Parts: sequence; structure tokens; C-alpha cells
Amino acid sequence: EAGVAQSPRYKIIEKRQSVAFWCNPISGHATLYWYQQILGQGPKLLIQFQNNGVVDDSQLPKDRFSAERLKGVDSTLKIQPAKLEDSAVYLCASSFDRVGNTIYFGEGSWLTVV
Amino acid sequence: SQQGEEDPQALSIQEGENATMNCSYKTSINNLQWYRQNSGRGLVHLILIRSNEREKHSGRLRVTLDTSKKSSSLLITASRAADTASYFCATKDDYKLSFGAGTTVTVRA
Repeated sequence: EAGVAQSPRYKIIEKRQSVAFWCNPISGHATLYWYQQILGQGPKLLIQFQNNGVVDDSQLPKDRFSAERLKGVDSTLKIQPAKLEDSAVYLCASSFDRVGNTIYFGEGSWLTVV
Repeated sequence: SQQGEEDPQALSIQEGENATMNCSYKTSINNLQWYRQNSGRGLVHLILIRSNEREKHSGRLRVTLDTSKKSSSLLITASRAADTASYFCATKDDYKLSFGAGTTVTVRA
């Protein structure tokens, strides 16, 4: 079974530039998550999708972050404009359903903002 | 803000020794989960314990849960070099999984 795919793995951008991360969840998984993990900290949920609807985006900085999951499969997370404090690993994860107790994580997209 | 807090922040042990880490949380939960993260990789689910369970085993892992104290512990027995990683507890309410800051475990050969 293929895991959660993410790209790019690494990205370095200057502050005020924009960046987009792509995620393809495990086939059949209805729930998709984007987490932000700053170095030395645990993952923080940015947004949770159930199919193509948003379940929770309470911790998403909506003035600069956006995410979409148009067809209920792939998802894109965008940051525009980026700030230095956005340097982090962006982890995509998926689970079978909203109640799914096991969440499967991708390898992450490492962002450095300089 | 993060739900769980792990203790200690870092742990260094000799191969073959046991490693114990603790997690405290603040609000009621449906279950508590432990994940492992190797350096530069994503998180891997290790074990889940439900709120009505007190202890669970999986291979060399033993998890306990005390809902009255809002705390959990993860024990790794007979540690190996490959156990070197960060370990995170995560608490689940109805739909949301919230992670602590993690314990970094180093197993010395």
C-alpha cells in the first residue's frame, strides 16, 4: 500500500515569497491533515479536511496560509507571503475517516525562509 | 497550544536498558496515542490506548494510562540503537489529535 506522498521535500525561499506544498493521501482515506512542526516542537494541526470540506482550520493563519482539497483527494497548502517564523516541516497525514484512530504521516516538506 | 507535555525532554540510555517517558494532558480524551519520529522523517504510529484501558502492550512497548491523573507513560524495554528517535504522545478527543512536544531518546551502543 502506498503511503502519504508529499512534495517538494525541501524548499528554501526568501521572506515575502510564496510557496506551495502538495500532498497525495493514502488511497481511500477521506480525512486529510496538514500539520506544522517547528524544530524541537510537536506537530501542530493547521487544517483538517473531511473529503473536500474543512473540519477544523482554527489554527491556520488565514492571512497568509491557504489550503484546498478540491476533489477530495490531493491537497495543496500555500503560504503567501512567507515569514521567517514559517520555517518548519509541513507534515501531511491521512486517516480512513474522521474518527480514524490511526493517522498515517508523509515524510514532510521542509521549509526554510531566509 | 499543545495538549500533552512529555517528560523528560531528552533521555540517553545504554543499549539493552529500558526507557520510560511520561505524558501529561489537560482535558478529557477518547484515547491517547504514541508516535515515533526518526530524524528527518515523518511520524509513525506506535500504539493506542483507549480512555477505558489502563495498560497495553505491543512487542517491547508498554503503555499505561491514568485518566484520574491525566497522565500516560511509555516504556520501551531492552532498547536498541534503532530506537533512537523522538517520541510523541497525542491525545484524541472526538475528532482532533493534539501532540505534545516530544521526548528525544538516544540509545548508546
